[in-house]
Amino acid sequence: GQQLNQSPQSMFIQEGEDVSMNCTSSSIFNTWLWYKQDPGEGPVLLIALYKAGELTSNGRLTAQFGITRKDSFLNISASIPSDVGIYFCAGPGNTGKLIFGQGTTLQVKP
Amino acid sequence: DAGVIQSPRHEVTEMGQEVTLRCKPISGHDYLFWYRQTMMRGLELLIYFNNNVPIDDSGMPEDRFSAKMPNASFSTLKIQPSEPRDSAVYFCASTRIQGPEAFFGQGTRLTVV
Repeated sequence: GQQLNQSPQSMFIQEGEDVSMNCTSSSIFNTWLWYKQDPGEGPVLLIALYKAGELTSNGRLTAQFGITRKDSFLNISASIPSDVGIYFCAGPGNTGKLIFGQGTTLQVKP
Repeated sequence: DAGVIQSPRHEVTEMGQEVTLRCKPISGHDYLFWYRQTMMRGLELLIYFNNNVPIDDSGMPEDRFSAKMPNASFSTLKIQPSEPRDSAVYFCASTRIQGPEAFFGQGTRLTVV
């Protein structure tokens, strides 16, 4: 079935550093979504991408919809402690179900 | 808007007991999803409804699991009998259109001992 593969699986960085993570698939997606899950909470939508090549920002976060439609990237600039959490990419599969990647766990050292 | 509301936030029960998780979707949303999250398997879609009708329950692990949506503002996920391997965080999500931009509740952390 369709799968989304996220990398890296986890990151441990120093406050102030920039962060990059990506999401890839063997099949094409027409929408890419990036969610963040804080500890003990549900995932919250950060950015939605609808067109190949699209670059969208939300504060210090920037995400891009890959031109092949098989990948997407999320960058966080100047990380702060509250960026800690799990970041998920997601996209609607062929059957319409929302498919999630396995997540990238981010830890930020003050 | 209050967002998706789930109850209880935490549930601890003994093996063999019946467990009922509750969800109130965002008003006006047509789709409701139930997910389960574990360390091993990540986020798994269990079942989803469109206009209160179950559309796809292929993710429901076994017959011990059942879900209902008697009206547009309420859904339940029931496990009977519960087993320790059911321990997980269960999320409800809703959306105005199928798939993209689902909004999640805060989840119910279930522990079966």
